[in-house]
Amino acid sequence: QLQLQESGPGLVKPSETLSLTCTVSRGSIYSSTYYWGWIRQPPGKGLEWIGSVYYTGSTYYNPSLKSRVTISVDPSKKQFSLRLTSVTAADTAVYYCARLDSVWYFDYWGQGILFTVSS
Amino acid sequence: QSALTQPASVSGTPGQSITISCTGATSDIGSYKLVSWYQQDPGKAPKLIIYEVNKRPSGVSDRFSGSRSGNTASLTISGLQAVDEADYYCCSYAGDSTLVFGGGTRLTVL
Repeated sequence: QLQLQESGPGLVKPSETLSLTCTVSRGSIYSSTYYWGWIRQPPGKGLEWIGSVYYTGSTYYNPSLKSRVTISVDPSKKQFSLRLTSVTAADTAVYYCARLDSVWYFDYWGQGILFTVSS
Repeated sequence: QSALTQPASVSGTPGQSITISCTGATSDIGSYKLVSWYQQDPGKAPKLIIYEVNKRPSGVSDRFSGSRSGNTASLTISGLQAVDEADYYCCSYAGDSTLVFGGGTRLTVL
């Protein structure tokens, strides 16, 4: 069964950059059928799609975050990554990585990682 | 790109059927049969329960069903059980390779 695991620092200061990595195991990141995505959930709030990446490196972003987000993929390491610049307290959330099917649903999710913005 | 609209909460008694609505726009739900639903228990990652409006992944109970009419999608849970108590989120393709989620609905089994 495919597994995804988020990793990265749990705390960053305001105005700094969030960097998270998702490692895929028990499956391949090379696929014409799937994309790989990031979703976040502020404490006590709903889900928000951040963006997705194809194994070729093609990226798709939420328009509301596009100016601050970069998602990249390293198929050789079976990893994809998220960078979010100029973070504020509003970026405090649990960040999930997930596999996105070509008909636009997330079928496998990581356990999530809490990322806190605080001075 | 605006979030899809879901009721904040719904409730029902065991054995009852409940429906959660998810209202979008012609630019998302109204244009694409690409609506998915997720169930989330507290402190856990979301779990896919419906995709492409009304398809169930392997292993998901047939008590869960989905539908779409116009700009609104719906999730129906029949034969409500205590184990169904959770948060539920809808999600739709919104064109230009983007996705939008609903605000979430908390289901309480009384």
